[in-house]
Amino acid sequence: AQKITQTQPGMFVQEKEAVTLDCTYDTSDPSYGLFWYKQPSSGEMIFLIYQGSYDQQNATEGRYSLNFQKARKSANLVISASQLGDSAMYFCAMREGGTSYGKLTFGQGTILTVHP
Amino acid sequence: GAGVSQSPSNKVTEKGKDVELRCDPISGHTALYWYRQRLGQGLEFLIYFQGNSAPDKSGLPSDRFSAERTGESVSTLTIQRTQQEDSAVYLCASSPRLAGKNIQYFGAGTRLSVL
Repeated sequence: AQKITQTQPGMFVQEKEAVTLDCTYDTSDPSYGLFWYKQPSSGEMIFLIYQGSYDQQNATEGRYSLNFQKARKSANLVISASQLGDSAMYFCAMREGGTSYGKLTFGQGTILTVHP
Repeated sequence: GAGVSQSPSNKVTEKGKDVELRCDPISGHTALYWYRQRLGQGLEFLIYFQGNSAPDKSGLPSDRFSAERTGESVSTLTIQRTQQEDSAVYLCASSPRLAGKNIQYFGAGTRLSVL
């Protein structure tokens, strides 16, 4: 079974509008962390936002917020006021276990295209 | 404040040759990770090093793959007898000694092409 599932291969959004990128995860570990990374066409991986499994509030970082629904095992990324520079591949990832080290398991990614 | 540095940025090799990929982590970062990204795919974990602990090699796809790390500095990923299916971008990441989210910071990757 896939540990991280991103069901949207591609998404389109108009500039200045909000967009939600979906991510569901599968783990039996009560302690885990969820990450979103952005990968522009240049290839580098840019960290966007993190949510810990015990965090009571949804994470926010500037225009990025994470809609964390623990019971549904979903961790959707919301980008508000989209910009042309947001066009990129977006990956959801999970680290299982109670330590702050360990591998990340990535989803297959969603390509976001922002139209002017 | 340099980021994670990987070399070479591109490597073209012939099937059956050995290759070495290098990663210089961010200074002071105790953990170092190697991932592989095939074209259009997500990242696959290969191996990680944490301080002086035994590395987690659980993601290495075959015994043709190996990696070493000297202390808390440079790491080398070696692929022996390369195959065409080894063609991918190999990404290195490092993270500091912190609790909580402990972000992994990535290098720009090495694009390996096996002809």
